[in-house]
Amino acid sequence: GAGVSQTPSNKVTEKGKYVELRCDPISGHTALYWYRQSLGQGPEFLIYFQGTGAADDSGLPNDRFFAVRPEGSVSTLKIQRTERGDSAVYLCASSLNTGAFNEQFFGPGTRLTVL
Amino acid sequence: AQSVTQLGSHVSVSEGALVLLRCNYSSSVPPYLFWYVQYPNQGLQLLLKYTSAATLVKGINGFEAEFKKSETSFHLTKPSAHMSDAAEYFCAVRPGGGADGLTFGKGTHLIIQP
Repeated sequence: GAGVSQTPSNKVTEKGKYVELRCDPISGHTALYWYRQSLGQGPEFLIYFQGTGAADDSGLPNDRFFAVRPEGSVSTLKIQRTERGDSAVYLCASSLNTGAFNEQFFGPGTRLTVL
Repeated sequence: AQSVTQLGSHVSVSEGALVLLRCNYSSSVPPYLFWYVQYPNQGLQLLLKYTSAATLVKGINGFEAEFKKSETSFHLTKPSAHMSDAAEYFCAVRPGGGADGLTFGKGTHLIIQP
């Protein structure tokens, strides 16, 4: 079956612009996670959803970052007034449910470059 | 709060030699621990996970890891390295209750010498 997909695979934008990154989780997975991976670093947790609601958004760096999952499936990560420091690979993962025993399946990521 | 430290950003071994990738964690509650592998231009893939059922955990591709509470460690090993093992390896921790996001280490790049 299909895995987690993310679009676009690459996004180049200019400082100050608005961007949207999309994640399509594995069908039937109720939990969805966003991470950010900067060069030479491990992934950093941003936010996760259980169904339509954000269960934990403690990793969002500031109020320029926002994520939605209106129908409990596809999610969009939105970044306003982008800054050069936002350049990173944004990873999405999904799992059947939340909880320690549930494996998170990762997508290939969206590489965001802010010029 | 929890954290993960991976010793050695790069590890180089010869093909056929033992692979040892180190991971130490800190967690205020009993942790769940994971090793992920990232091949070039691919997504993260779960190698194995510790969820308190057994301290020695076997994963895919011949990898295993041992949870040692007294040392707060969860080192990854493989008896004999293959060229195909060359990749980036990440150790991650998830607290036993509450927040569900993973906390990752910085990763170790494994290089296999022919």
